Amino acid sequence: GENVEQHPSTLSVQEGDSAVIKCTYSDSASNYFPWYKQELGKRPQLIIDIRSNVGEKKDQRIAVTLNKTAKHFSLHITETQPEDSAVYFCAANPRGQGAQKLVFGQGTRLTINP
Amino acid sequence: DAGVIQSPRHEVTEMGQEVTLRCKPISGHNSLFWYRQTMMRGLELLIYFNNNVPIDDSGMPEDRFSAKMPNASFSTLKIQPSEPRDSAVYFCATARTGGPNQPQHFGDGTRLSIL
Repeated sequence: GENVEQHPSTLSVQEGDSAVIKCTYSDSASNYFPWYKQELGKRPQLIIDIRSNVGEKKDQRIAVTLNKTAKHFSLHITETQPEDSAVYFCAANPRGQGAQKLVFGQGTRLTINP
Repeated sequence: DAGVIQSPRHEVTEMGQEVTLRCKPISGHNSLFWYRQTMMRGLELLIYFNNNVPIDDSGMPEDRFSAKMPNASFSTLKIQPSEPRDSAVYFCATARTGGPNQPQHFGDGTRLSIL
């Protein structure tokens, strides 16, 4: 089955600097890769997603890149702010099933230091 | 849009008791997912439904866990009997199907503590 590995498990950056979180997946048929942000005690919220027909997608300070050949995708946050502090999860859909089932990475705890 | 609604938000009960968690999906969403989140195991998919039909229950840990979706507006996850190791946050998420890659929207979760 699909296996999603996420690194690093914790990340601390200075406010204003960039943060990068990386994920690898095992199922070459996967074609949908969302990223979720979870603040302490809250629900995971979708912040950006990318489909396999696209190599990069950007939304203001957030961007995601996808390398299908290497089976990895990354989240990039630029000009980080204190409110970016949270746990971030990547996910992939096994066997290319659309949104019907996601396998999540273990999460990255991002801390933005003022 | 009220979002995915879960109840209760918190549940504390003694081991051996039956626990029922409830979820109301976003109107028009016909896929529903139950997840369990713990520090050790992260976010695990327990079971998911399409159009009220269970599609994949391979993540359900054991026979003590059961889930139903009697109609498009309601689902339950039941644990009977409950054990301390079932303590976790349980999330329900829903999505539209039809068309490619519809994102999942999570409810606020139920924090379950089994004493």
